Amino acid sequence: RKEVEQDPGPFNVPEGATVAFNCTYSNSASQSFFWYRQDCRKEPKLLMSVYSSGNEDGRFTAQLNRASQYISLLIRDSKLSDSATYLCVVNIDRGGGGADGLTFGKGTHLIIQP
Amino acid sequence: EPEVTQTPSHQVTQMGQEVILRCVPISNHLYFYWYRQILGQKVEFLVSFYNNEISEKSEIFDDQFSVERPDGSNFTLKIRSTKLEDSAMYFCASSEGTSRDEQYFGPGTRLTVT
Repeated sequence: RKEVEQDPGPFNVPEGATVAFNCTYSNSASQSFFWYRQDCRKEPKLLMSVYSSGNEDGRFTAQLNRASQYISLLIRDSKLSDSATYLCVVNIDRGGGGADGLTFGKGTHLIIQP
Repeated sequence: EPEVTQTPSHQVTQMGQEVILRCVPISNHLYFYWYRQILGQKVEFLVSFYNNEISEKSEIFDDQFSVERPDGSNFTLKIRSTKLEDSAMYFCASSEGTSRDEQYFGPGTRLTVT
């Protein structure tokens, strides 16, 4: 079972629409959760951290359900510039006591159409 | 806004040659990371570095890889004897505190092994 699973898409969405992505993670030792966006052949850029209480940043809302091991991202009033791949990312405590690297999903590809 | 920088942006090398990829993390950050992304695949953790030593490493980070912080600003990844399968995008990242904190990525070095 993959550690972080996402629907690869593509999601084709008209400009102005609301779109939601989901992600599940398998390791209950996951401690921190993030959404990154990645444009073609570019670096991952941090979009937002995800907290158990849920958090919102402008048009973006992220939710975490630890019991179901499920993370979501909602984008409202989508813009053409939102077209990208959205990466679900977790930090898993592997018990080594050191700085564990992030575990990435393969990403969900979003295309906003005019 | 402070950024992680990486050089070169593209490196072409022949199989068996050594390469050194360079990174300048964000200046007040304490944790440094290398990741790679093979074309069309997910981002994968290689190694983390803290207090001048390796903190954690993945199974990908075998004896052909090494990392170093040669001075107060640079962080390098050396691949001793490159293989065709080392062709990938290599991203450096840094975080202010522990790996639970948000990690910021550099623009990457595209390594092509021929």
